[in-house]
Amino acid sequence: DAGVIQSPRHEVTEMGQEVTLRCKPISGHDYLFWYRQTMMRGLELLIYFNNNVPIDDSGMPEDRFSAKMPNASFSTLKIQPSEPRDSAVYFCASGSSSSYNEQFFGPGTRLTVL
Amino acid sequence: AQTVTQSQPEMSVQEAETVTLSCTYDTSESDYYLFWYKQPPSRQMILVIRQEAYKQQNATENRFSVNFQKAAKSFSLKISDSQLGDAAMYFCAYRWGSQGNLIFGKGTKLSVKP
Repeated sequence: DAGVIQSPRHEVTEMGQEVTLRCKPISGHDYLFWYRQTMMRGLELLIYFNNNVPIDDSGMPEDRFSAKMPNASFSTLKIQPSEPRDSAVYFCASGSSSSYNEQFFGPGTRLTVL
Repeated sequence: AQTVTQSQPEMSVQEAETVTLSCTYDTSESDYYLFWYKQPPSRQMILVIRQEAYKQQNATENRFSVNFQKAAKSFSLKISDSQLGDAAMYFCAYRWGSQGNLIFGKGTKLSVKP
């Protein structure tokens, strides 16, 4: 199994631009999570899905952030317009309700907004 | 609200020695899970060990073991025979129920001296 795949690994953009982060969960997993890691706030949940349905989006900072999961093998996190304070590492993780409760993390996307 | 506290921003250990990382948490739930994740400079999040709250026996994984004190809401990680490859950020995490989002502590940076 290839594990959780995230793309791109690094993204540098200018303030005001749209940014799209992508995630492919592990095949067969029915949970997908988006986390953000910053020095100031640490690791925090943005949103998570169960069977492609958003369950908890209370961590999404504001309307500039949106996430979708059109099918079981793909999810996107979009920031529009991006701001310098969005600079962070964004992790996608997946898990299965039939496994031993572990969440498997992708390698993360380091986003820099200039 | 559930919270996770790691009171040691940095720790240092001599190679081959033993080190203990502290973690406390706050919850009113009875069904929960606790985890320790390792994040090396590659930033990949790697699960080190997990503990189910209903289990009294402390979890162990090779050189890694935990001291789970449910009444005190304490969950410390002991690393025995420390190796250079153990140098990383270590995050304590809490999850309510069998699936759902993880709540992370701020992390402890572990250095291993040769």
